[in-house]
Amino acid sequence: DIQMTQSPSSLSASVGDRVTITCRASQDINNDLCWYQQKPGRAPKSLIYATSSLQSGVPSKFSGSGSGTEFTLTISSLQPEDFATYYCLQYKRYPRTFGPGTRVERK
Amino acid sequence: EVQLVESGGGLVQSGGSLRLSCAVSGLSFSNQWMDWVRQAPGKGLEWVANIKPDGSEKNYVDSVKGRFSISRDNARDSLYLQMNSLRPEDTAVYYCSPSLNYWGQGALVTVSS
Repeated sequence: DIQMTQSPSSLSASVGDRVTITCRASQDINNDLCWYQQKPGRAPKSLIYATSSLQSGVPSKFSGSGSGTEFTLTISSLQPEDFATYYCLQYKRYPRTFGPGTRVERK
Repeated sequence: EVQLVESGGGLVQSGGSLRLSCAVSGLSFSNQWMDWVRQAPGKGLEWVANIKPDGSEKNYVDSVKGRFSISRDNARDSLYLQMNSLRPEDTAVYYCSPSLNYWGQGALVTVSS
């Protein structure tokens, strides 16, 4: 199975900060990576697919980059509604595997 | 607007069975790969299974192989997950998702020991 790791596991940030989350795969997944946002008690929300393509309706403050085994999700200017947990997912191979999540908390 | 409504969750004893359903609207169901993803209380997301649009291919995570079965009815725009030999570690909110792009509110499955 492809193992996914995320760093940091949590971070504290302020409104307006630029935030970057890293996701690493245990083997080359090309660009077959998604990012999701989840708030407590809510279903996940799809943000990005194919490493860098924004889902419809997702604001451009979110961006994704990377290839192979290392990927990043960047929030250019953190807003109050962005405090949440973020997960990456590889869909190159079965079983699909998620990263353990990165919690973005208010400083 | 895409809508996904999961149903069939509940409390069951270890070794028991449940069948989850997911009603889909707002997209062309018969053209979509469909996935089940679960989330144990306080834990992260775990992919469980998926099924090809015509039902001819099914994939599972190892921990549910031989116990869970995914199926679909394209005439009813519905997805199913038959869960047998349930274990306490299967306790989770189960989400259905077309191509891992849209998400329902989930169905809670609780397995007591």
